[in-house]
Amino acid sequence: GAGVSQTPSNKVTEKGKYVELRCDPISGHTALYWYRQSLGQGPEFLIYFQGTGAADDSGLPNDRFFAVRPEGSVSTLKIQRTERGDSAVYLCASSLMVGSYEQYFGPGTRLTVT
Amino acid sequence: DAKTTQPPSMDCAEGRAANLPCNHSTISGNEYVYWYRQIHSQGPQYIIHGLKNNETNEMASLIITEDRKSSTLILPHATLRDTAVYYCIVSPQNDKLIFGQGTTLQVKP
Repeated sequence: GAGVSQTPSNKVTEKGKYVELRCDPISGHTALYWYRQSLGQGPEFLIYFQGTGAADDSGLPNDRFFAVRPEGSVSTLKIQRTERGDSAVYLCASSLMVGSYEQYFGPGTRLTVT
Repeated sequence: DAKTTQPPSMDCAEGRAANLPCNHSTISGNEYVYWYRQIHSQGPQYIIHGLKNNETNEMASLIITEDRKSSTLILPHATLRDTAVYYCIVSPQNDKLIFGQGTTLQVKP
């Protein structure tokens, strides 16, 4: 079946611009996670949704970052006033909440801020 | 910060067993040990998890010490396609994953 998909696969933007990154989780998965990965580092947790609500947003670095999941399926990560330090691969993962231990990751969106 | 410690890199000969260690001395009673791997330019992939008992699946075996302070991931017959970064993570079920630096496993012909 279809896995987690993320669009776009690559995004280049100028410093100060606004960007949106999209995640389509596996159908029926109620939990959705966003991580970001800088070069040479392990993924870093950003935010976790259970259904439509953010269950844990403790990883968002500052108020320029915001994420939504209005219908409990697709999620969008929004970054305002981008900075060069935001350049990274943004990963999305989804999982079943009940009886599941595995998070399924998408291929990521590579964001480059010039 | 990650609650696990792993060696930064390891080599393994193709066809041999790869044994990847992980220390998690501060693990809590409700935390599982998870292993994920990340092949270059791909998202992480789940391998296996365990709580107290040793576990085996089609990909690997997980050996957890009795005191749960350390574990070993075993790939019984490593292939070149097993070359990846392997992450050991401790976390409650259905919670965020806190990744460390992982172990870069290089399988050599």
